[in-house]
Amino acid sequence: QKEVEQNSGPLSVPEGAIASLNCTYSDRGSQSFFWYRQYSGKSPELIMSIYSNGDKEDGRFTAQLNKASQYVSLLIRDSQPSDSATYLCAVILYGNKLVFGAGTILRVKS
Amino acid sequence: KAGVTQTPRYLIKTRGQQVTLSCSPISGHRSVSWYQQTPGQGLQFLFEYFSETQRNKGNFPGRFSGRQFSNSRSEMNVSTLELGDSALYLCASSPVIGGTEAFFGQGTRLTVV
Repeated sequence: QKEVEQNSGPLSVPEGAIASLNCTYSDRGSQSFFWYRQYSGKSPELIMSIYSNGDKEDGRFTAQLNKASQYVSLLIRDSQPSDSATYLCAVILYGNKLVFGAGTILRVKS
Repeated sequence: KAGVTQTPRYLIKTRGQQVTLSCSPISGHRSVSWYQQTPGQGLQFLFEYFSETQRNKGNFPGRFSGRQFSNSRSEMNVSTLELGDSALYLCASSPVIGGTEAFFGQGTRLTVV
């Protein structure tokens, strides 16, 4: 089992729809979770962090965390073509290592 | 506030050579982590430095090494380069070690021929 798992996609959604990106992780003791966005040819950019169970909203983005299920997700409302990118889930695992999933490619069609 | 600065942006090296990459973290950040990104393997953790000491290490061979200076700037060295070392090398800085948000530099694209 990979330490941080994501569906590689691509996930295709129409403009204006909600995009739902999912991530599972292996370390039950993990406390810190992040979502990064990476455009082609660019470096990852932090867009959300979440530390407690439940939802955290920031503009069109909502991060959801369920530690019991070892599951974290990112919802993007009113998806725009400019949201097309690879979304990386990252988790602080045992030993304080920030470990990334392989990323989910999101394509928003206009 | 300046972001994370990596130099050089691009490098072409020959098999067997060695290479040194540099990373200047965000001012006030004391933790620097290095990652290798390839299409097949994604973002792989190399190591993390904090207060000039390596605090964490990923599963890479000993050819990959690093260090951190008193001003928090970090260097990464790869010796005896192999074709498979061709990748984007990313540096990320954090205020403290572990558990907090990390901010990435633009990366160094290394091509080994």
